[in-house]
Amino acid sequence: AQTVTQSQPEMSVQEAETVTLSCTYDTSESDYYLFWYKQPPSRQMILVIRQEAYKQQNATENRFSVNFQKAAKSFSLKISDSQLGDAAMYFCAYRSAATGGTSYGKLTFGQGTILTVHP
Amino acid sequence: SAVISQKPSRDICQRGTSLTIQCQVDSQVTMMFWYRQQPGQSLTLIATANQGSEATYESGFVIDKFPISRPNLTFSTLTVSNLSPEDSSIYLCSVGTGDGYTFGSGTRLTVV
Repeated sequence: AQTVTQSQPEMSVQEAETVTLSCTYDTSESDYYLFWYKQPPSRQMILVIRQEAYKQQNATENRFSVNFQKAAKSFSLKISDSQLGDAAMYFCAYRSAATGGTSYGKLTFGQGTILTVHP
Repeated sequence: SAVISQKPSRDICQRGTSLTIQCQVDSQVTMMFWYRQQPGQSLTLIATANQGSEATYESGFVIDKFPISRPNLTFSTLTVSNLSPEDSSIYLCSVGTGDGYTFGSGTRLTVV
């Protein structure tokens, strides 16, 4: 079974600075998807960024980018020019690319990292 | 991407009673997922609901405690039965979209 580990329970950053959230995962599969989700106090889960394992190029979405190291099974999220609205719980998640079987379509989440942004 | 309406947003229930949570999707989807998020914790998958078949439950979750209905491709309900304080959590539904997954806004359940 796949596991996802976020080793930083809490992180903080000054507004306008850059912060990196860590995520590692364990899998025997070669094709999969990785996600970062943001959950503000409103509880709404918001997709931040997604990475396909077969793509070597790191995904970027405006101020958000990832460092995907497939061999190391590492998937960190970098937030540049941090804003107060970035404060939230961030979850790293894994999904198999398999189109059948018992794990089809299921997300496995890490423990989460609480990000605090200081003005 | 899909939009999910989840109800209720919160509820306070007595021990021994049940709560039914509804999720309505604005498009047809094959699979719907139900998650539990205990206070300050991550999301744990309860079950996968496919239209026209029995839900598939994850280890540690049973149908008698968490019965699921999936009458059509846009709607599902999760019932949390015989409530105890340990069931106090946030419950979320989710569907797959082109880019990832869309989640309902969650139901915060408090059992007293």
